[in-house]
Amino acid sequence: AQSVTQLGSHVSVSEGALVLLRCNYSSSVPPYLFWYVQYPNQGLQLLLKYTSAATLVKGINGFEAEFKKSETSFHLTKPSAHMSDAAEYFCAVSDKNTGFQKLVFGTGTRLLVSP
Amino acid sequence: DTAVSQTPKYLVTQMGNDKSIKCEQNLGHDTMYWYKQDSKKFLKIMFSYNNKELIINETVPNRFSPKSPDKAHLNLHINSLELGDSAVYFCASSQLPGHTNYGYTFGSGTRLTVV
Repeated sequence: AQSVTQLGSHVSVSEGALVLLRCNYSSSVPPYLFWYVQYPNQGLQLLLKYTSAATLVKGINGFEAEFKKSETSFHLTKPSAHMSDAAEYFCAVSDKNTGFQKLVFGTGTRLLVSP
Repeated sequence: DTAVSQTPKYLVTQMGNDKSIKCEQNLGHDTMYWYKQDSKKFLKIMFSYNNKELIINETVPNRFSPKSPDKAHLNLHINSLELGDSAVYFCASSQLPGHTNYGYTFGSGTRLTVV
């Protein structure tokens, strides 16, 4: 069964610094991969997704992620953090091979941005 | 314009009561889901329906009963509520894999508090 591991339950950066949130997946074949963001007391918003097209995926709000099969990784980056990026970030995976899908989430990483 | 809408947004009730949460999507998606987010922010799938047919039931207590009257609606009824049912419940929908717009869209969540 597929799964994802997010390294670091909390990541702290200064405003303007690089954001790097790590996600590694476990799957027998390259899966579909997603990053979602959750602001306090809100729902889940899709940042970007990998569905076997380009390995470098650009998303909303200046975020991007690169699919690396050799490292089974899908890390999320943003060149320059903004205070408004402070939120909970979830990496998620779904299996290509099954007819009906379910999204399996990592445990989340809270991004803290200091001025 | 809301893509996936849930009602109510907040629900406070006493132990032992029965309550329902409603979900509607206007995206034309074939599959709908219920996810539970616990106090540690962990997201886990509960149920999945494809075109009104139950596809996934992830070892959820029998007190939880989903109902899908049509493919645009998925409701969740909970009997004999317990303190441990307190969580945020998210509804989601998606197209099947291979569709050009494959991805999962989430509602804003229902925060259930059992007292």
